[in-house]
Amino acid sequence: DTEVTQTPKHLVMGMTNKKSLKCEQHMGHRAMYWYKQKAKKPPELMFVYSYEKLSINESVPSRFSPECPNSSLLNLHLHALQPEDSALYLCASSPYRTSGVTDTQYFGPGTRLTVL
Amino acid sequence: AQSVAQPEDQVNVAEGNPLTVKCTYSVSGNPYLFWYVQYPNRGLQFLLKYITGDNLVKGSYGFEAEFNKSQTSFHLKKPSALVSDSALYFCAVRDKEVNTGFQKLVFGTGTRLLVSP
Repeated sequence: DTEVTQTPKHLVMGMTNKKSLKCEQHMGHRAMYWYKQKAKKPPELMFVYSYEKLSINESVPSRFSPECPNSSLLNLHLHALQPEDSALYLCASSPYRTSGVTDTQYFGPGTRLTVL
Repeated sequence: AQSVAQPEDQVNVAEGNPLTVKCTYSVSGNPYLFWYVQYPNRGLQFLLKYITGDNLVKGSYGFEAEFNKSQTSFHLKKPSALVSDSALYFCAVRDKEVNTGFQKLVFGTGTRLLVSP
């Protein structure tokens, strides 16, 4: 199984709502990533978890809250978002070998988020 | 910091013709380079990567990339384009966080490939 799955595929939420995005992989990867991608732009890294611990937070606003409950799951909790947060949110995973060999990241299909 | 540049916003090619999508890099140390493709409303799909070894790297769907150290380039190529190759292509380079040593990808701005029938 070489797949990263994300749910939901589409999400529309108001600025006062609380919602969560979910990402799952069963490749035994120990690093998981959240990216934000605006239309026709490259993905922007938001968070990285390695061995279920937050390794990188790219100065993301606190209205985005990541969670990694186990090695296969990654959540992104959303609260009080702004319309400019509307984007495609991508999850990725990689083996995270520490031997110095560069990991390949495998991406999920993304969640299209619209904030009204 | 490591970076890559994709000088073309869009590349147009006729089906059956060879295609090239350009990428140049700026790194300190050895470059670790990647190509990803993104179809509309989809996530990124890994095509190939260069770590070390042969300068010609073969990847998925008939794509290959040529690493050229003297020109600091890593152009993506395919001998015969298909209409289904039309998509957004991203070049990326590995970067390391200074404090943690953790690896992350730095993406180029993307090149839209349009293959006409």
